[in-house]
Amino acid sequence: GAVVSQHPSWVICKSGTSVKIECRSLDFQATTMFWYRQFPKQSLMLMATSNEGSKATYEQGVEKDKFLINHASLTLSTLTVTSAHPEDSSFYICSARDHASGGNEQYFGPGTRLTVT
Amino acid sequence: AQTVTQSQPEMSVQEAETVTLSCTYDTSESNYYLFWYKQPPSRQMILVIRQEAYKQQNATENRFSVNFQKAAKSFSLKISDSQLGDTAMYFCAFRVTNTDKLIFGTGTRLQVFP
Repeated sequence: GAVVSQHPSWVICKSGTSVKIECRSLDFQATTMFWYRQFPKQSLMLMATSNEGSKATYEQGVEKDKFLINHASLTLSTLTVTSAHPEDSSFYICSARDHASGGNEQYFGPGTRLTVT
Repeated sequence: AQTVTQSQPEMSVQEAETVTLSCTYDTSESNYYLFWYKQPPSRQMILVIRQEAYKQQNATENRFSVNFQKAAKSFSLKISDSQLGDTAMYFCAFRVTNTDKLIFGTGTRLQVFP
């Protein structure tokens, strides 16, 4: 089946620093990947849609300069949280669609827990 | 705008029993997909079941089945013969056909008791 990995699974960083999270589709090519944010005991909120070879599309209210997304290849998208602050602490989840197979599901990564101290 | 509503924040069921999780949605679109995702304590999102809106037949996947009422915009999930491993958060989700955006409900926390 389609597998999506994320790295790291958890990260602690100091306020003011930047942290990069990787999302990889392991056994399929994903022209589109998605980044979600999930607060404790809440639902997933789409932050942005990452398109291979072009700029990401951000949802309303998401700061594109703070959450930098790069989708340089068909199997890798990265989310960089720049100048992180404690309020950026959250669970970040990526997903990808296997367009080649015509699939209609999004396959989710295992998530990355970010703690900013 | 599309919205997905899950009115049950928490549910509990005894092992081997049946439980139904509710989901309603609002949309003016006629072609769309509906999903139920499971998020166990590991936080890994797992697709449980999918329904295409153009199909009248309710989807089933082993112990999981849905009751899709298109006119009522209702999409409930029935879990039969509940197992301890079914304990998780369950999210109902919606996506318009030929678009990528998944819209999630607020989730229902299901606890299965032995």
